[in-house]
Amino acid sequence: AQSVTQPDIHITVSEGASLELRCNYSYGATPYLFWYVQSPGQGLQLLLKYFSGDTLVQGIKGFEAEFKRSQSSFNLRKPSVHWSDAAEYFCAVAKSGGSYIPTFGRGTSLIVHP
Amino acid sequence: GAVVSQHPSRVICKSGTSVKIECRSLDFQATTMFWYRQFPKQSLMLMATSNEGSKATYEQGVEKDKFLINHASLTLSTLTVTSAHPEDSSFYICSARQGADGYTFGSGTRLTVV
Repeated sequence: AQSVTQPDIHITVSEGASLELRCNYSYGATPYLFWYVQSPGQGLQLLLKYFSGDTLVQGIKGFEAEFKRSQSSFNLRKPSVHWSDAAEYFCAVAKSGGSYIPTFGRGTSLIVHP
Repeated sequence: GAVVSQHPSRVICKSGTSVKIECRSLDFQATTMFWYRQFPKQSLMLMATSNEGSKATYEQGVEKDKFLINHASLTLSTLTVTSAHPEDSSFYICSARQGADGYTFGSGTRLTVV
């Protein structure tokens, strides 16, 4: 079965600084990969996804992620963080093809200092 | 884009009563919807897959008699927490898949059992 690890429970950055959230997955083949953001008390919003093709994926709100097969990673990046980016971020992995129901990591809480 | 509406957003109920949560796909038809449970500061755990016109598929460890799922139409799935107890208090989120665009999530329901 597929699994995903987000090694950082909390990340604190200053507004305007760059951001990288780590995500490692375990799956025998090339998986489908996702990043979601969750504001307090809200559902999840899809930031970006990778199915195939270009390994650098652009998402909404200025986020991007890079699929690195050799490292089994799909790290999320943003060059300049805004205070409104403070939220919980979830990486998810799914078996490619079929219904690709995502399995979620435990999440990383992003704190943004002014 | 695809929108999934979840209602209510918050509910408080007395121990021993039942609570129904609705999940609607507003602008697309969803033959399959998914119910997740999220504990504080933790990831989303898939509880069950709701299939329109047939029985739901429950994940291991989820009590089907406790969490009743009905998917009577292509746009509505309901989750009923029966004989609720304080340990059922949690954040419940539904999702639906629209074609190749991936999964869209509802805004969640905060259930508090007192």
